[in-house]
Amino acid sequence: EVQVVESGGGLVQPGRSLRLSCTASGFTFGDFAMSWFRQAPGKGLEWLAFIRTEVYGETTEYAASVKGRFTISRDDSKSIVYLQMNSLRAEDAAVYYCARGSTMIRGVITTFDIWGQGAVVTVSS
Amino acid sequence: QSALTQPASVSGSPGQSITISCTGTSSDVGGYNFVSWYQHHPGKAPKLIIFDVNNRPSGVSDRFSGSRSGDTASLTISGLQAEDEADYYCSSYTSTSTYYVFGIGTKVTVL
Repeated sequence: EVQVVESGGGLVQPGRSLRLSCTASGFTFGDFAMSWFRQAPGKGLEWLAFIRTEVYGETTEYAASVKGRFTISRDDSKSIVYLQMNSLRAEDAAVYYCARGSTMIRGVITTFDIWGQGAVVTVSS
Repeated sequence: QSALTQPASVSGSPGQSITISCTGTSSDVGGYNFVSWYQHHPGKAPKLIIFDVNNRPSGVSDRFSGSRSGDTASLTISGLQAEDEADYYCSSYTSTSTYYVFGIGTKVTVL
């Protein structure tokens, strides 16, 4: 079965760090770009970051809201994509999703076809 | 505030057809053929049901269809079934640095 599963969520104090993992299975992980999204309570989905494949140099893109604080990375040998989140704020509290980029045109993902169930991140003292 | 505008809720009786609108701008919905729709049952993984405006992934029921007119995309669910009760989100690639924009979601209720 093709799937991705997030882990690493939890309660963290403001200003601290947390690393989320997304483990993929059922497909050749290294062939696909991967991305992270989040959904805060009562709000819509928000794209955070994506990482291209090794063919594209594993280059990354970030939303302005997290650039400089969050880092996306991947380990193709383990089929895992990570989201390192630093200097967390109350407004970062959300359900975090990872998703597979099924189609890439000129280095940009155009479709996200496989999503995980999400990992809950709570930021509170 | 989400970049794409969707109605908060839509309802219909079993067997009926409903349509959910998703309004953006020429920088996103109206400018690119990269509009997607997702079905989300709370607590589960979002499911891609429409991509590239009007294409269905393999395995998705043909009761789901997508279209676009100008800056507004639409998702139609025909032959409404109880299992269709869920939240539906539209998304589009955007030429801004945001890369992707979403609607806030539409809650579909089957009466």
